[in-house]
Amino acid sequence: DVKVTQSSRYLVKRTGEKVFLECVQDMDHENMFWYRQDPGLGLRLIYFSYDVKMKEKGDIPEGYSVSREKKERFSLILESASTNQTSMYLCASSYLDSGQYFGPGTRLTVT
Amino acid sequence: GENVEQHPSTLSVQEGDSAVIKCTYSDSASNYFPWYKQELGKRPQLIIDIRSNVGEKKDQRIAVTLNKTAKHFSLHITETQPEDSAVYFCAAKKHDYKLSFGAGTTVTVRA
Repeated sequence: DVKVTQSSRYLVKRTGEKVFLECVQDMDHENMFWYRQDPGLGLRLIYFSYDVKMKEKGDIPEGYSVSREKKERFSLILESASTNQTSMYLCASSYLDSGQYFGPGTRLTVT
Repeated sequence: GENVEQHPSTLSVQEGDSAVIKCTYSDSASNYFPWYKQELGKRPQLIIDIRSNVGEKKDQRIAVTLNKTAKHFSLHITETQPEDSAVYFCAAKKHDYKLSFGAGTTVTVRA
């Protein structure tokens, strides 16, 4: 059974703080993804990675960066958190040509 | 990029009736079409998928149909039950790893 875990379920940070969201998958998937989910806007892709140390911008990369030093781990970094980054963040992983499996999500509040 | 439109945005059905959700996509190169179910407070879960070389796929009470010529695909849920209440997302993918998601359909099954 595919398992994707995220480091925190809930997180509260202050404006300007540096925020790290971590995601780990145990299925040896090549691809990993970070989305944010906001009411009425569905799932929007922030960044994805198709291999270790490789990354590609998604649809809304501004204000975010990512790191993939190991195949099983994909980190999302908010360099300087802002209130408009308050959202649900979902990590996902997949093989090259299959559906994505999601983590439980991290609800981030920036005050 | 790929644009996926999903209708309706909300759907209320009587228990035991059928539910149909429709999606259209813009890029004829898309070749993989998964459907996700997201219950309140939980992660999106892959429930069924279809590839472009297949016109229909069924798994118990759910089925998906694909019309490549018209560039639309649909999710059918028969004999709906209260546990089918959730938000359903369609998605489309080409060869570039990324999924493009529809905005979601909130399905409510009335007892």
